[in-house]
Amino acid sequence: GAVVSQHPSWVICKSGTSVKIECRSLDFQATTMFWYRQFPKQSLMLMATSNEGSKATYEQGVEKDKFLINHASLTLSTLTVTSAHPEDSSFYICSARGHGHEQYFGPGTRLTVT
Amino acid sequence: KQEVTQIPAALSVPEGENLVLNCSFTDSAIYNLQWFRQDPGKGLTSLLLIQSSQREQTSGRLNASLDKSSGRSTLYIAASQPGDSATYLCAVIYGGATNKLIFGTGTLLAVQP
Repeated sequence: GAVVSQHPSWVICKSGTSVKIECRSLDFQATTMFWYRQFPKQSLMLMATSNEGSKATYEQGVEKDKFLINHASLTLSTLTVTSAHPEDSSFYICSARGHGHEQYFGPGTRLTVT
Repeated sequence: KQEVTQIPAALSVPEGENLVLNCSFTDSAIYNLQWFRQDPGKGLTSLLLIQSSQREQTSGRLNASLDKSSGRSTLYIAASQPGDSATYLCAVIYGGATNKLIFGTGTLLAVQP
């Protein structure tokens, strides 16, 4: 149980375009989902926290207008990178939490902006 | 500021050796502490979760300890194997409405056959 999927697993896009990444909890209802970013050889940095049906809470330094998060249902959250630039190239990982405190992580999405 | 630090940053050991990875955190008012494994280009695999009221957790060859008062946790790996090679991350969970995870800097482990 407690499986989280992400789609796509990798994506290449051109600079200036937008990319949407999906995070789904497959076998449980996720009241809260988290989005992390990981640059090469670095640890995970929390970008934002989203609760179903409400606006996401962004960490300091993360542009909410650039990284749009929508937590439309208890099993789906999406992260849209708008007007992507090469510096947005990174590994994006989501996690989902049900009624307990443990977070379950997705397999990650590798974004490359050319 | 809540920070999590892991030492060493990288470690190379011969197969069969026992080893210890260290994690320290600046704010001892944690809710839980969790150890993860990350293979290159992959997501996270949860290894052990220690609640703040616990001192240690064990799973197979892994043993994680927690000392809240000193702000430290260790991950002990017994009889290491080449398949244990990965990056190990510790993460601290603080309480409150969001229960955010704050990740450490990671230890890159290489077990030589």
